[in-house]
Amino acid sequence: GAGVSQSPRYKVAKRGQDVALRCDPISGHVSLFWYQQALGQGPEFLTYFQNEAQLDKSGLPSDRFFAERPEGSVSTLKIQRTQQEDSAVYLCASCEDRDSNQPQHFGDGTRLSIL
Amino acid sequence: AQSVTQPDIHITVSEGASLELRCNYSYGATPYLFWYVQSPGQGLQLLLKYFSGDTLVQGIKGFEAEFKRSQSSFNLRKPSVHWSDAAEYFCAATPFSGGYNKLIFGAGTRLAVHP
Repeated sequence: GAGVSQSPRYKVAKRGQDVALRCDPISGHVSLFWYQQALGQGPEFLTYFQNEAQLDKSGLPSDRFFAERPEGSVSTLKIQRTQQEDSAVYLCASCEDRDSNQPQHFGDGTRLSIL
Repeated sequence: AQSVTQPDIHITVSEGASLELRCNYSYGATPYLFWYVQSPGQGLQLLLKYFSGDTLVQGIKGFEAEFKRSQSSFNLRKPSVHWSDAAEYFCAATPFSGGYNKLIFGAGTRLAVHP
């Protein structure tokens, strides 16, 4: 398919474990975003990449959250020493260019549950 | 602070009835504005967007939205709702800055459709 792909769709982890969430953006898209969507809430911005450069990580809630996009395509969001409050849906979106008038294309998300 | 407000958490309408979902924004200048729809377990799909020009914007699936600068509003409308429109609707905004479009979302409005 030509859309944004996220894996896994569901992830259950015990508190304290590390997790890694993957995002495959639309081929050729320059911009990549991660959002966190808590139950019953709207998505909240976590971090932004332009190609391989992480230009904005102001939304990452703590230093346990780390994101990378080493080759400017696939991105991984890693959460270390997970806590129950990390339970949420993590959405990835990509955008063709860096301009703010370009629409973002969202993946179906990874639902993370911390026990 | 920049924010997007959706006053209605949950709305129920009958199939065939008209629909209006409210959205207000708080920004220093007029931002770019978007409406997204999210079905259960799915990502966000863009319905329509407003950048400038005509204040009545047409989108997909028969939706339209009207931008009113004086009221800082961007309400979504549909003249006749179908059962398949039941979903969660998010209003979002991003600053008109020429840079990347970090979206700020409202909390969402869940739409239920009665047969």
